[in-house]
Amino acid sequence: QSVLTQPPSVSGAPGQRVTMSCTGSSSNIGAGYDVHWYQQLPGTAPKVLIYANSNRPSGVPDRFSGFKSGTSASLAISGLQAEDEADYYCQSYDSSLSGSWVFGGGTKLTVL
Amino acid sequence: QVQLQESGPGLVKPSGTLSLTCAVSGGSISSSSWWTWVRQPPGKGLEWIGQIFHSGSTDYNPSLKSRVSISVDKSKNKFSLRLSSVTAADTAVYYCARVYSYQSRADYWGQGTLVTVSS
Repeated sequence: QSVLTQPPSVSGAPGQRVTMSCTGSSSNIGAGYDVHWYQQLPGTAPKVLIYANSNRPSGVPDRFSGFKSGTSASLAISGLQAEDEADYYCQSYDSSLSGSWVFGGGTKLTVL
Repeated sequence: QVQLQESGPGLVKPSGTLSLTCAVSGGSISSSSWWTWVRQPPGKGLEWIGQIFHSGSTDYNPSLKSRVSISVDKSKNKFSLRLSSVTAADTAVYYCARVYSYQSRADYWGQGTLVTVSS
């Protein structure tokens, strides 16, 4: 079981907006630690999509946005495109685990 | 542009020790960044293994701490992973990555290397 909880799957049609959640606890997200989001296309290494809750690295389209509140965070993708089909992971830190990184179990996005 | 490249045996026998190296190019391992290992069993999610700073300071996943050691070789601009007493459950793609700063994101990743534990 992952420390951060993500829905196993979400889906949407091209052009639609989808959101996916990442739920933690008072020892990780709720303790104020930043949440980072990674996109993993099939057969490739993860790539940082959103860092520090809501920031996009250079080159990431503004269709991707992140939000954090309380013990949860969310990733939104608007104007869904076929190439967005991938696995998405949230990551934070946990003070109860000696400063360990913690990941969500991942959400598989299917573009219908 | 920072680049990372994992290397090491693709097959390790049960009860043996897994050893991987990550070569860093395009940047210094002695920068303000941390350096981390993450693994992914086939068809499963990401699992953090641990991280190291160029000073030698380390953090490890508590569930692996008794079996893991991460070291750094500043002269060769590389860092390494050792995982002892491996079992089939340690079969995974192992990634090395740069952590921008402590408790920040992993912004550069290696391509990953599959390590299979089997006799």
